[in-house]
Amino acid sequence: AQKITQTQPGMFVQEKEAVTLDCTYDTSDPSYGLFWYKQPSSGEMIFLIYQGSYDQQNATEGRYSLNFQKARKSANLVISASQLGDSAMYFCAITHSGGYQKVTFGTGTKLQVIP
Amino acid sequence: SQTIHQWPATLVQPVGSPLSLECTVEGTSNPNLYWYRQAAGRGLQLLFYSVGIGQISSEVPQNLSASRPQDRQFILSSKKLLLSDSGFYLCAWSGTLLNQPQHFGDGTRLSIL
Repeated sequence: AQKITQTQPGMFVQEKEAVTLDCTYDTSDPSYGLFWYKQPSSGEMIFLIYQGSYDQQNATEGRYSLNFQKARKSANLVISASQLGDSAMYFCAITHSGGYQKVTFGTGTKLQVIP
Repeated sequence: SQTIHQWPATLVQPVGSPLSLECTVEGTSNPNLYWYRQAAGRGLQLLFYSVGIGQISSEVPQNLSASRPQDRQFILSSKKLLLSDSGFYLCAWSGTLLNQPQHFGDGTRLSIL
């Protein structure tokens, strides 16, 4: 079975500073994908960034980057130059190869950006 | 481009009443479809997924059922709602490749009285 652990229930960051949200995972599948989603207070889930288990380089998408350490089974999300609009819940998720894309989500980290 | 529609946005139902939540996807064919439930302040729990018309897999035994009568339509139902069915319900679709993210609807906030 796959598992995602997000140990930070809540985080604060000063506006314009960088912040790292932690995510560790456990899987026995050799091929898997890691995702980060953002959920604002309005409730919708927004896809942010993807990292494949065989990707050699860390994924980046604008101000989002993923610090992927495969040996440590960690996939931390780094948000640079935080903005007030970044305040939201952030979920790490893992999917595995197979006939369908079954995803296991972590419990989330609530990020609050302070002006 | 692909879009996903989920309705209603909010719903208040008495215990023991039936439920029907609908989700439709536009702009893609043969999507994988999912129903999730999210308790307040918690992560997402996968309830059902479907890889094709009439093909439904249940992840958690519960008071709910799902159906996929058309390729891009996914319905979550219950014959008799329980208090524990309260929560935030999210529909999602994805492709079949490992690197394709799930795309979510706006969700339905269900309150059981």
